[in-house]
Amino acid sequence: GQQLNQSPQSMFIQEGEDVSMNCTSSSIFNTWLWYKQDPGEGPVLLIALYKAGELTSNGRLTAQFGITRKDSFLNISASIPSDVGIYFCAGGLQGGSEKLVFGKGTKLTVNP
Amino acid sequence: SQTIHQWPATLVQPVGSPLSLECTVEGTSNPNLYWYRQAAGRGLQLLFYSVGIGQISSEVPQNLSASRPQDRQFILSSKKLLLSDSGFYLCAYRDSGNTIYFGEGSWLTVV
Repeated sequence: GQQLNQSPQSMFIQEGEDVSMNCTSSSIFNTWLWYKQDPGEGPVLLIALYKAGELTSNGRLTAQFGITRKDSFLNISASIPSDVGIYFCAGGLQGGSEKLVFGKGTKLTVNP
Repeated sequence: SQTIHQWPATLVQPVGSPLSLECTVEGTSNPNLYWYRQAAGRGLQLLFYSVGIGQISSEVPQNLSASRPQDRQFILSSKKLLLSDSGFYLCAYRDSGNTIYFGEGSWLTVV
């Protein structure tokens, strides 16, 4: 089945640094979503992308939908301690599939 | 606005006991509903999804079942829990824009 390769698996950074993570696939998607999950809670939607080439920002977060439709990245600028968590990408498949395909997550640790 | 709520938040059950996790969605009609399981805080595994009342699709063979008795209610059940059923269970719904929103999650520990 379709798979998303999300990298890196984990990151350890200093407060104030910028962060970049990405997802790639051999499949084409018509939706890319980025979520953040805090420990013991459900994932929360950060950014939704619906169009190839789309670049969208949400505060210090920026995400882009790759023009090939097979990849997406998420950047976090000037990281702060509350950015700690697990970040998931998810792709919606063409053809109106009811399901999303999720990456395995990037665990972010921010040292004050 | 749309909201999603699942309960209980935490559950400790003995092996062989039954399970019922409930999820409800407000502010939308005929949503697509989903049950996911997450082990060890990583990786979301889709268990079931439903596109309407009484319509359930199972993604993986398992000891669990799902039901949708009402439009905005989705229930995850088991008749006899196994140790391997322990995990973090997430209910979710999909909006008209193909975006999925998650509930708060339910921690299940089978002892």
